[in-house]
Amino acid sequence: DTGVSQDPRHKITKRGQNVTFRCDPISEHNRLYWYRQTLGQGPEFLTYFQNEAQLEKSRLLSDRFSAERPKGSFSTLEIQRTEQGDSAMYLCASSISGGINEQFFGPGTRLTVL
Amino acid sequence: GQNIDQPTEMTATEGAIVQINCTYQTSGFNGLFWYQQHAGEAPTFLSYNVLDGLEEKGRFSSFLSRSKGYSYLLLKELQMKDSASYLCAVRDAGNTPLVFGKGTRLSVIA
Repeated sequence: DTGVSQDPRHKITKRGQNVTFRCDPISEHNRLYWYRQTLGQGPEFLTYFQNEAQLEKSRLLSDRFSAERPKGSFSTLEIQRTEQGDSAMYLCASSISGGINEQFFGPGTRLTVL
Repeated sequence: GQNIDQPTEMTATEGAIVQINCTYQTSGFNGLFWYQQHAGEAPTFLSYNVLDGLEEKGRFSSFLSRSKGYSYLLLKELQMKDSASYLCAVRDAGNTPLVFGKGTRLSVIA
């Protein structure tokens, strides 16, 4: 499978715990995006990388959220001290930086905070 | 600010044609995308418009009017499998990330 992959697909955690999600983009894509989607809403942009550089992080929802892409390949999104309001689908997408910059989405990680 | 509006829900009959509208207000404009998202799945790319006019791709067409801040997605010969949410998204400048609308949930009935 050469598409975007995310792990885990589902995560149930208790309030106050830390969680980390992983995204593996399409191999030749240098851009990687993280979005959050709640029921009945469109994806909400969180942050993105070009190679290993994080180009935008002001949209991260709070300082409990952080993301890394240390080698310009896979990325991780960490949420510290989870709250019930963090329950959502976390989507990763990747693209090349040229052309129409079409984004290809992964299957998402569904987070449930109890 | 940025604002993208599309109807919340639509219903159409199998074999018919449906038009899903999207209006946007953004600080800049560098392309409008339509994505399809089946329940519980990732969004998949359908179409892209950056110039005014109609782009046709099989049963799906997308139209853009930049002066009106308006786009529509036209689906012809509807099939049951077209039941999904359709997301309108705008890129406001350069290669910045997309701003998505809330999506239109389309139900295709027999």
